[in-house]
Amino acid sequence: DARVTQTPRHKVTEMGQEVTMRCQPILGHNTVFWYRQTMMQGLELLAYFRNRAPLDDSGMPKDRFSAEMPDATLATLKIQPSEPRDSAVYFCASGPQGATLYGYTFGSGTRLTVV
Amino acid sequence: AQSVTQLGSHVSVSEGALVLLRCNYSSSVPPYLFWYVQYPNQGLQLLLKYTSAATLVKGINGFEAEFKKSETSFHLTKPSAHMSDAAEYFCAVSGQSSNTGKLIFGQGTTLQVKP
Repeated sequence: DARVTQTPRHKVTEMGQEVTMRCQPILGHNTVFWYRQTMMQGLELLAYFRNRAPLDDSGMPKDRFSAEMPDATLATLKIQPSEPRDSAVYFCASGPQGATLYGYTFGSGTRLTVV
Repeated sequence: AQSVTQLGSHVSVSEGALVLLRCNYSSSVPPYLFWYVQYPNQGLQLLLKYTSAATLVKGINGFEAEFKKSETSFHLTKPSAHMSDAAEYFCAVSGQSSNTGKLIFGQGTTLQVKP
């Protein structure tokens, strides 16, 4: 089965450090989402790309978060500087053209702990 | 704009009993609706989707959901719960056009299955 691959699976870092999370969408998928999951807020949409262009990043704190797709096989989410409140599980999801019809495939997530 | 409300953050049923997880949506455009399941320490897996073809949708693992436009609901049911159904369930909505394709999730419902 085709999978969305996220690395690393777990990350523990100290407050103030830069964190980079990576996502390899399924080959041929042109839509990529980044979500953050916490107990308090549930699943929050951070950013949304189609054909590598950002369509919506209104859910992302702009002062410290950035999301990019350097090429069609890689999406990155960076936090600089990281803060304890950023501790969460970050999910990437991808979908093909017309994914609104077919649904999206999620990766296993990156569990981030900022101490 | 779209939103989803899942009624009940925790639902507990006995093994063999009916499972009913409630979801109500709000959408300014014709919606697509989805149910995802998340097992502990895993990503989200698509259970089923409504894409305007049929109002009663059957998914994996014996789950089904019915789209009721008049009630703006998309409740998830399973006739007989199994221990392996214990997980967190998320209802999600997106618009049908590619311009409104971002997936918005409800807060989730944790299903507990008692022996």
